[in-house]
Amino acid sequence: NAGVTQTPKFRILKIGQSMTLQCTQDMNHNYMYWYRQDPGMGLKLIYYSVGAGITDKGEVPNGYNVSRSTTEDFPLRLELAAPSQTSVYFCASSPGDLGYTFGSGTRLTVV
Amino acid sequence: AQSVAQPEDQVNVAEGNPLTVKCTYSVSGNPYLFWYVQYPNRGLQFLLKYITGDNLVKGSYGFEAEFNKSQTSFHLKKPSALVSDSALYFCAVRDMESSASKIIFGSGTRLSIRP
Repeated sequence: NAGVTQTPKFRILKIGQSMTLQCTQDMNHNYMYWYRQDPGMGLKLIYYSVGAGITDKGEVPNGYNVSRSTTEDFPLRLELAAPSQTSVYFCASSPGDLGYTFGSGTRLTVV
Repeated sequence: AQSVAQPEDQVNVAEGNPLTVKCTYSVSGNPYLFWYVQYPNRGLQFLLKYITGDNLVKGSYGFEAEFNKSQTSFHLKKPSALVSDSALYFCAVRDMESSASKIIFGSGTRLSIRP
């Protein structure tokens, strides 16, 4: 099983550019989440989804957008990248109350 | 408000000694509690969880955690530390006010095991 797959692993963006972070899971989990982890800090929830076609904002949604057209995919879109969005981004999925499975992360630098 | 606290930013232990990483929580109702580990440049890996049942929960890599309802704590323990246990550890609690199975993470504790 691949679990949760995130691409790309690394990316450097210039200020004002846009990009999409991809996240795919093959475990048929209904719940999916996007977190960011700043250096030396914990995890902050950006967006989450409880199923295909349903998304909602987390703690820090500004500057991001998501979609969930299928159960498997939950891409995160950054519009007009800013230096404050330099971070490591983690996607996770869950079948319910049994905890999360995390992807390996995308390290994003905005210069 | 629901929350989870890890009072120690860093814990230093000599190899072979027992280790404890502390966690306290505040939730409404019965808690669902988790521990995750993050090795350098990696994603978070699940270690163990408490949903119900025995207060002592055993998990991966020889770790265990003790649920204490009266002290609202869920400390992570290991009888004999290994250098390879050095990593960042996160305690987490299910957000019981959310229908989306969201988890609230602590700020993390960096565990350093010296040879």
